[in-house]
Amino acid sequence: DVKVTQSSRYLVKRTGEKVFLECVQDMDHENMFWYRQDPGLGLRLIYFSYDVKMKEKGDIPEGYSVSREKKERFSLILESASTNQTSMYLCASSGGVSGNTIYFGEGSWLTVV
Amino acid sequence: SQQGEEDPQALSIQEGENATMNCSYKTSINNLQWYRQNSGRGLVHLILIRSNEREKHSGRLRVTLDTSKKSSSLLITASRAADTASYFCATDKESKAAGNKLTFGGGTRVLVKP
Repeated sequence: DVKVTQSSRYLVKRTGEKVFLECVQDMDHENMFWYRQDPGLGLRLIYFSYDVKMKEKGDIPEGYSVSREKKERFSLILESASTNQTSMYLCASSGGVSGNTIYFGEGSWLTVV
Repeated sequence: SQQGEEDPQALSIQEGENATMNCSYKTSINNLQWYRQNSGRGLVHLILIRSNEREKHSGRLRVTLDTSKKSSSLLITASRAADTASYFCATDKESKAAGNKLTFGGGTRVLVKP
């Protein structure tokens, strides 16, 4: 089974802090994604990566950056966390024999106070 | 606005009944997928239907696609309490890069009462 692991399930950070959300997948997928999910707004794509060191902005990249130094790992970085970034963050991956099917991690609940 | 929009936003049914939810989208697609999310968890892929397909089945799930109306429906037959979840449709959106990315709708929350 494909496994997408997000390092932290629950985080509480202060406004202005730098926050790292880490994600690892074990299926050698080329594509990795970061979404945020908010009530009434569904899932919105922040960034995605289609190869090591390659990234592309999603629909809401402002306030975020990403890093993909290794194929299995995709990190989301909040350079200076703000309260409007309080949300659930979902990492996902796709590629190889799974084609367009996306496999999600369990999510990271981030609260910025 | 989002590519996929589910309707209704919420649905409450009795165990054993069928649940139907719809998804509309705006631009041409290669395929459409349905995902399920249990409360507070990640999304799980249910079924993919390609743009040249009209209907697809998987167990108690039936998906239809009408590209002329830019809409899809998901039917869950003989629902069970364990089907209680949110259901999302997702459409692909080709980017200039190799990896296609999906755009998700707002989801339909389904409650199946025992």
